[in-house]
Amino acid sequence: SQKIEQNSEALNIQEGKTATLTCNYTNYSPAYLQWYRQDPGRGPVFLLLIRENEKEKRKERLKVTFDTTLKQSLFHITASQPADSATYLCALDKGGATNKLIFGTGTLLAVQP
Amino acid sequence: DGGITQSPKYLFRKEGQNVTLSCEQNLNHDAMYWYRQDPGQGLRLIYYSQIVNDFQKGDIAEGYSVSREKKESFPLTVTSAQKNPTAFYLCASSPQGVLSYEQYFGPGTRLTVT
Repeated sequence: SQKIEQNSEALNIQEGKTATLTCNYTNYSPAYLQWYRQDPGRGPVFLLLIRENEKEKRKERLKVTFDTTLKQSLFHITASQPADSATYLCALDKGGATNKLIFGTGTLLAVQP
Repeated sequence: DGGITQSPKYLFRKEGQNVTLSCEQNLNHDAMYWYRQDPGQGLRLIYYSQIVNDFQKGDIAEGYSVSREKKESFPLTVTSAQKNPTAFYLCASSPQGVLSYEQYFGPGTRLTVT
């Protein structure tokens, strides 16, 4: 069956360091992969989208990589700040016209000052 | 001020009662979605609609019903047949097409059934 795995344990890092979150998937061939941020008690907010033929995408302090051979995406936040503390969700889209997303369980990131 | 709204934010119901959650968007999006989120779990798709007067079951549609009579509105009814209705419910919308589009989420409704 299709499976999406994100770090189940919280990731604790010091302010200023780079946070790296992983998203691994099996039995799935997504054409696109999206990352969202979710704060407690709120709806997710879109951050980045990467296509299967793109290796890397950047937006300000954020960087996403997509390795279809390893079936893995890495999400990096450089120069992390306490305000970056949240749960980060990856979502797979196999493309076509349905625009349906399959979400991972999310990784809780805590940036310590 | 464009966006997607859900109401109410908190909802309490007695077991055996149906309850309807509201979702409205003014983003002119064709596609709308309902998700359920339980503690420590990802979002699971309940229903989605790509066009007015049409909708499709998601992965966990049993015990739920929807309607899409207007482009702006996609209400979700949690029926008494849903065995574990207590959860955080999220509505989202997006453009519709062959590319992948970001989904815009509402603030969510936390439903508690006792």
